[in-house]
Amino acid sequence: GQQVMQIPQYQHVQEGEDFTTYCNSSTTLSNIQWYKQRPGGHPVFLIQLVKSGEVKKQKRLTFQFGEAKKNSSLHITATQTTDVGTYFCAGPGGGSQGNLIFGKGTKLSVKP
Amino acid sequence: NAGVTQTPKFRVLKTGQSMTLLCAQDMNHEYMYWYRQDPGMGLRLIHYSVGEGTTAKGEVPDGYNVSRLKKQNFLLGLESAAPSQTSVYFCASSPDRSSGANVLTFGAGSRLTVL
Repeated sequence: GQQVMQIPQYQHVQEGEDFTTYCNSSTTLSNIQWYKQRPGGHPVFLIQLVKSGEVKKQKRLTFQFGEAKKNSSLHITATQTTDVGTYFCAGPGGGSQGNLIFGKGTKLSVKP
Repeated sequence: NAGVTQTPKFRVLKTGQSMTLLCAQDMNHEYMYWYRQDPGMGLRLIHYSVGEGTTAKGEVPDGYNVSRLKKQNFLLGLESAAPSQTSVYFCASSPDRSSGANVLTFGAGSRLTVL
């Protein structure tokens, strides 16, 4: 079945350093979404990418969708302690519409 | 506007017991989902529903049943709980794809421990 792979699993950075997480799919995706889950919380939607090669920015966060629509990345510039959490990518799982498959996530910790 | 509400928030079961997790959404969303989250495993889809009266299997459906008798509610049942079902369960909902984006709104989660 369709799989969404995400690396790295963990990332520890010093506050102010940059951070990047990568997402790869075994199949072409019609779209990809990114979610953030704070420690002890629930996943919260960040952004959706639809177009090949699309780049979107939210303040210090930059999201990219690959040209082949099989990979994506999230880059955070100058991390802050408020960025701590787990970042998930998610893509359509195939089969009937509505099926959304998540990567295993990248857990980011930021040392002040 | 409460969004997605899950009950109960915590539950401890003994092996073999049954229980039902309730998810309610007040956003008139068509799609609803149940995910489980385990350390290092991310979010795995158990079952989902694309409309009232419909359900479909996700990645890890075994040992679970679901029902969507009303549009706003999605129930997850465990008929005979096993320790492997110890997890945090998240319910989510989303509008249908005709609205453009299948963006999920999650509930706060239900932590289930099976002894």
